[in-house]
Formats: sequence, C-alpha cells, structure tokens
Amino acid sequence: ETGVTQSPTHLIKTRGQQVTLRCSSQSGHNTVSWYQQALGQGPQFIFQYYREEENGRGNFPPRFSGLQFPNYSSELNVNALELDDSALYLCASSLRGRGNEKLFFGSGTQLSVL
Amino acid sequence: TQLLEQSPQFLSIQEGENLTVYCNSSSVFSSLQWYRQEPGEGPVLLVTVVTGGEVKKLKRLTFQFGDARKDSSLHITAAQPGDTGLYLCAGATSGTYKYIFGTGTRLKVLA
Repeated sequence: ETGVTQSPTHLIKTRGQQVTLRCSSQSGHNTVSWYQQALGQGPQFIFQYYREEENGRGNFPPRFSGLQFPNYSSELNVNALELDDSALYLCASSLRGRGNEKLFFGSGTQLSVL
Repeated sequence: TQLLEQSPQFLSIQEGENLTVYCNSSSVFSSLQWYRQEPGEGPVLLVTVVTGGEVKKLKRLTFQFGDARKDSSLHITAAQPGDTGLYLCAGATSGTYKYIFGTGTRLKVLA
C-alpha cells in the first residue's frame, strides 16, 4: 500500500467526450506527477504539480490539463477524447525536498475510449 | 528528447537462472531509479542510484549505475516466480524533478 488512491479504477468513454481522473496523495507529500501507460509500454510523463502549480510537462497536447488542490490532491482532465487516449493513467505522489524524490504510485485508472 | 531504452524487451526464464536487464540512454541523469510493476498495480520503487559507478544490492537483485551516469543494469540471481513482472528504469536529469521512464522489460520466471 502506497497511500496513493486513484478514482475511478475503470472508465469507459466515447470519442469526443471529456473525462476527469482523481488522485489523493500520500499524507505529507507535496508533489503529484501524472503518467500515461499504454499496454505493454513504460509510463509516459504527462505533467507534474508542485504546490498547486504545473512544474514540468511532457509531450502531451493542451487538451490534457490538471489541477492540484491545497490538500495536494490532484485531477487530470482530458478534453475531446481520442481513441489513442485509451490507456492506464497513473498518479504518483512524492515529497519535494533535499535529495532525490521517491515516487509512490497509485493503482491507476484504466480508461477505454470507444 | 530523452529516451531510455531497455533490453531485452521480454524475458522468459526458468526458476534458478540468472538474468541481467539493461537501461541505456544518450542523456546524463542525476539519478536513476528501478521499479517493478505487477498487473493491475502501479510501479513500486526498488532502488535509487545517484553516483556514477554505484552498486546497490537488494537481496538477490544487484543494481549498477554506469560511470558516466547514462546507463544502468539490474542483475537478478537465482530468479524465482515471485520476480515475475514488468521492470522499469526511470531517470531524472539535473535541474528537473520529472522522471522519464524506460520502455520496460517484461520478465516471466517459470517454476
């Protein structure tokens, strides 16, 4: 158990719809990173939030957006869903401070776009 | 664009055999991590290496960071069925806090 919870666990949407995925960080963590993992692949970095501000972004279009709340929980929003958005979406929380960050992952949200 | 290539992509071995997984890049990393992921779960951190040439051991797993901090290896001795999973390396470059993941190595250990 990492203490990171994601909801929902599974989701089915149709092309063009919008989706919001949620993540509760491990207690005491101030940073949240979101990753997209296609079947059989390594996770791809979407973006990271630190103290409620976006702090780094991967190669994803603007229709992928996020929020981090004062309690450090986070949301990932995807607009105008495309078939290729079907993937496992992983949230990882960490504590930004001295030294290297350790990422603690949730179990993910499996998104299917039909 | 940073790219972490892992090899082999797939590995199926018998219980008791040894194996090595490689993680290579043209980029220099300030730190490199190894994770294991099981079906239906998120990746779980195994180790972090930060110094070129560093070697860390975790029971039957040995991790090494290349001298130039561009590559790493994971060696498993006497593999067991419980070692089955997707092994991922992830690197962060200096001045950033984002970890870029490798392409993954899927290991299956047969009893």
